[in-house]
Amino acid sequence: EVQLVESGGGLVKPGGSLRLSCAASGFAFSNAWMNWVRQAPGRGLEWVGRVKIKTDGGATDYAAPVKGRFTMSRDDSENTLYLQMNSLKTEDTAVYYCTTGTYEGYWGPGTLVTVSS
Amino acid sequence: QTVVTQEPSLTVSPGGTVTLTCASSTGAVTSGNYPDWFQQKPGQAPRTLIYRTSNKHSWTPARFSGSLLGGKAALTLSGVQPEDEADYYCQLYYGGAQVFGGGTKLTVL
Repeated sequence: EVQLVESGGGLVKPGGSLRLSCAASGFAFSNAWMNWVRQAPGRGLEWVGRVKIKTDGGATDYAAPVKGRFTMSRDDSENTLYLQMNSLKTEDTAVYYCTTGTYEGYWGPGTLVTVSS
Repeated sequence: QTVVTQEPSLTVSPGGTVTLTCASSTGAVTSGNYPDWFQQKPGQAPRTLIYRTSNKHSWTPARFSGSLLGGKAALTLSGVQPEDEADYYCQLYYGGAQVFGGGTKLTVL
């Protein structure tokens, strides 16, 4: 059974940092491009960023609102995806979903990040 | 700033057919934008229905189909069921970025 389980969400003050993790199982993690997608309360989906597989160079791409503040990484030996979030702003408040590329099509249940003083 | 536009809301009768569209501010949507479609029900994570224009997953009901139509990506539901009431999002690829549309709230009434 395929599972993506996010963790690390919580309440953080503006300007603070948080690291999210996504534990993957049940599929070939090392062969899957991985994404983070977020959804602010009552709003639509927003792509955050993507990390390619090692054989594609392991490159990362980010959406403009998070570029320079967020960093994605992956540990294929642990089947885990990470999102390091720095300089957090109130507008970063959202449920953060870990997803595979759409060829695999899997989503985690999400973890809530709240940025508030 | 690339904008992807969807109908904000649509209503369809049970058993009917409805087409949702996805337009790009940069021009016509092509297969090179790799259009994807997602369904989200209240309180749930999204799920991927269609990838790369028209490809279905094992869990995608046969009544869902994807295509390119008149310069847009399209998701057609044929023989709509009450359980199809949900929010639907498209996503387009632009080289190094991916952009979601604002979503279509589909009501089955």
